[in-house]
Amino acid sequence: GDSVTQMEGPVTLSEEAFLTINCTYTATGYPSLFWYVQYPGEGLQLLLKATKADDKGSNKGFEATYRKETTSFHLEKGSVQVSDSAVYFCALSMEYGNKLVFGAGTILRVKS
Amino acid sequence: DTEVTQTPKHLVMGMTNKKSLKCEQHMGHRAMYWYKQKAKKPPELMFVYSYEKLSINESVPSRFSPECPNSSLLNLHLHALQPEDSALYLCASSQGLAGAETQYFGPGTRLLVL
Repeated sequence: GDSVTQMEGPVTLSEEAFLTINCTYTATGYPSLFWYVQYPGEGLQLLLKATKADDKGSNKGFEATYRKETTSFHLEKGSVQVSDSAVYFCALSMEYGNKLVFGAGTILRVKS
Repeated sequence: DTEVTQTPKHLVMGMTNKKSLKCEQHMGHRAMYWYKQKAKKPPELMFVYSYEKLSINESVPSRFSPECPNSSLLNLHLHALQPEDSALYLCASSQGLAGAETQYFGPGTRLLVL
C-alpha cells in the first residue's frame, strides 16, 4: 500500500542552523505531497504542499521539492528559530478520496 | 478564514458515560474528517463525510458514532468508551475529496477515559 517514511528524531539544532528532514514515499499512482506541523498542544497546520513532480512548495522559509525520480519530498530551512520547535509530519494523498497517509513524524528541537 | 473549531478542548469521561465532540467550519467545505491521534504518533483517519454523507469508515468500533447534521457541523458521539480510547481527537475539513485538496485541522479535543 501507499506509505511515507520520515527520518527519525528528535532532531536537535542550534538557532540559525540549517534544517533538513528527509521524507520518502511509496505510492502506486501520482500522489500530492504535504508537510504539516504540529506545535505542542495544538492541531496540525499545513506548512506546504506540492501536487506534481518538480513542484516546489514553500512557506515561512521552509521549502520542499517533489522529486518523482527519488520519490522524495525533503523539508529544508536555511536558518531555524526556537519557535520552529514542533513535530513535522510528511504526508501523501492520492488522486481521489483525499485520505492522508502520514509519516511517523519528526520532533524538531531548536536551542537558543 | 481557514478556521476549524472544536469543542470541548478537554473532556474527561467514565466508561459508562455518553458524550459528544463537536466540530464546525465556515469555509464552505464539503468534506469533513475525524482523526484520532495518540501521543507521539501521527493522526489516524476514523471517518470521512462528503456532502453530509458518510464516505469512509475506517473500521471504527461502534462506540464511536459520527453525525453530520449540516455542511458546517460534524459531531462524534461517544458511548461506553475504553481507557485505550484516550487520545487527541482532531477534526479536519477540505473543499472536496480530490487528492490535492488541503485538509484544514482544528485544535482537537483531548479526551481522557477513566
